[in-house]
Amino acid sequence: DAGITQSPRHKVTETGTPVTLRCHQTENHRYMYWYRQDPGHGLRLIHYSYGVKDTDKGEVSDGYSVSRSKTEDFLLTLESATSSQTSVYFCAISHGGQGALQYFGPGTRLTVT
Amino acid sequence: RKEVEQDPGPFNVPEGATVAFNCTYSNSASQSFFWYRQDCRKEPKLLMSVYSSGNEDGRFTAQLNRASQYISLLIRDSKLSDSATYLCVVNLYSGAGSYQLTFGKGTKLSVIP
Repeated sequence: DAGITQSPRHKVTETGTPVTLRCHQTENHRYMYWYRQDPGHGLRLIHYSYGVKDTDKGEVSDGYSVSRSKTEDFLLTLESATSSQTSVYFCAISHGGQGALQYFGPGTRLTVT
Repeated sequence: RKEVEQDPGPFNVPEGATVAFNCTYSNSASQSFFWYRQDCRKEPKLLMSVYSSGNEDGRFTAQLNRASQYISLLIRDSKLSDSATYLCVVNLYSGAGSYQLTFGKGTKLSVIP
């Protein structure tokens, strides 16, 4: 299995509070991604990173920000959580570019009440 | 037209049956094709890559038809452990020489004793 961990694995938070999810990899892969997965929508890309301090938006980036200060860590922040952000969040990594094979972390189940 | 389309299922099949999943993609410039498997409440994991000449891995056979922009996955002699959601994944050309890995919404398979 690819060396990817996510923390926390489960979180319940209240509307309006900030939340940060962490993705950590030990594979030294350049590319890292954050997805959310919801019933009926499949996996949707939130943000991705193509190197330290290099990030870009995906298709559902509104309400989310990311940071990557080290190769191994990619943080996803919900500045002010809303109930619509209740979802399962997956981090992924790839060695090549955005079109390359991706390996996923175990996921974080976030509930915003 | 959706970029990567799959029949959502569910497919309910008895043990030992043969089942086929189909997937169509929108962009003829796509270069790489994969099938991922996702167990309930788990992360997606690579099942197999799909090559132009077709490829087989044990009970699993993947085929690609570039002219029709169509991918298939055949599972022979279904096992209870094959119960999962199968995701069709394509690296779609997104312009300016870039590709983006794009996931179908998945087809759910339940193998029944």
